[in-house]
Amino acid sequence: AQTVTQSQPEMSVQEAETVTLSCTYDTSESDYYLFWYKQPPSRQMILVIRQEAYKQQNATENRFSVNFQKAAKSFSLKISDSQLGDAAMYFCARDQGGSEKLVFGKGTKLTVNP
Amino acid sequence: EPEVTQTPSHQVTQMGQEVILRCVPISNHLYFYWYRQILGQKVEFLVSFYNNEISEKSEIFDDQFSVERPDGSNFTLKIRSTKLEDSAMYFCASSFTSGADTQYFGPGTRLTVL
Repeated sequence: AQTVTQSQPEMSVQEAETVTLSCTYDTSESDYYLFWYKQPPSRQMILVIRQEAYKQQNATENRFSVNFQKAAKSFSLKISDSQLGDAAMYFCARDQGGSEKLVFGKGTKLTVNP
Repeated sequence: EPEVTQTPSHQVTQMGQEVILRCVPISNHLYFYWYRQILGQKVEFLVSFYNNEISEKSEIFDDQFSVERPDGSNFTLKIRSTKLEDSAMYFCASSFTSGADTQYFGPGTRLTVL
């Protein structure tokens, strides 16, 4: 089974500062998709950002951007100008080739300090 | 914005009882999924459903589990005889196409088996 690894169980950041959450994965495919989902305390998972592996340009959504390093199989999430509402669990996920399922990492709990 | 809804938000049941978890996917979506998250663990895929049949299932999805789309709008997960280890958060998700298309998640149903 292909895995997704998030090496930081917990991270904290001061409000208005920048934080980077790490994610690595394994794959034998050349084309695949990567996702970051946010799960606030209310527990509904919300898509933050999506990256297509064949695109070299890093995806960006407002304050959220990724650093996608295909050769290194790394997909980190950068949150700029952190806000209190960014506090949540963040899950990295990828699709699994030939399958319809998403494979998730264990998550990183982000705390934003005022 | 359309969203996936789930009912109930919390279900408490006795071991051995049957439970049905309900989901209303986004209306124009064609693929439906159930995932499970045991407290403190990663989100795990259970099953995907397309064209009124199961398209993929995980090893977790044994004979105790079944899914159904009874009326063209609801998508249900039935657990026939619940076990203590079935206690988890169950998330429904839907997508317009399969594979790499973004899956939109519902708020989840917390199932507690006593």
